Amino acid sequence: QITLKESGPTLVKPTQTLTLTCTFSGFSLSTSGVGVGWIRQPPGKALEWLALIYWDDNKRYSPSLKSRLTITKDTSKNQVVLTMTNMDPVDTATYYCAHLYGSGTYYYYYYMDVWGKGTTVTVSS
Amino acid sequence: QSVLTQPPSASGTPGQRVTISCSGSSSNIGSNYVHWYQQLSGTAPKLLIYRNNQRPSGVPDRFSGSKSGTSASLAISGLRSEDEANYYCAAWDDSLGGPVFGGGTKLTVL
Repeated sequence: QITLKESGPTLVKPTQTLTLTCTFSGFSLSTSGVGVGWIRQPPGKALEWLALIYWDDNKRYSPSLKSRLTITKDTSKNQVVLTMTNMDPVDTATYYCAHLYGSGTYYYYYYMDVWGKGTTVTVSS
Repeated sequence: QSVLTQPPSASGTPGQRVTISCSGSSSNIGSNYVHWYQQLSGTAPKLLIYRNNQRPSGVPDRFSGSKSGTSASLAISGLRSEDEANYYCAAWDDSLGGPVFGGGTKLTVL
């Protein structure tokens, strides 16, 4: 059974750096066909993709946020970490991590099949 | 503004069949698979349909997906009160190099 859990601060100040951790079980990020993605959802708004990391350490970032994001994986700890710099009140949202399932290096075939429950982050001074 | 376009709302009565549309372009829906997610109030999204028309284990066959050209649809037959939720479509976008989502459709069961 695949499970994912997001953790991190619930409140950050403007200009600070946000660090979120996704701790997962039921799969290994060193196995071909697997990845982890981060997605966020501002209150009352739609889902927005942030970053993806695959089993082969290939990384993808949302073009609009690329300069502020870094995604890394620690296979031994079964964790994926997302950092977002220069936080702003518009970054207030629920942040989800999700398991990606696909095939090899055909990254466009991957989809998010299992999601964590999400963690709410508020940006305010 | 979302890359994929969905109607903001839809509704139906119990037992009815409703469809939710998702419109994109040649760089996303036109050349890649479409996936659908159901988000009940206050919960995380749940995969409902993957690769255009495949249902994960446990998803009732009342839910079905289809794709034609640069558009896709989610159909729900035999509508039930527990289907009241927000529904999101998603697809890989070749231009952006990642997945894109629709703006979501809030389904109300009258």
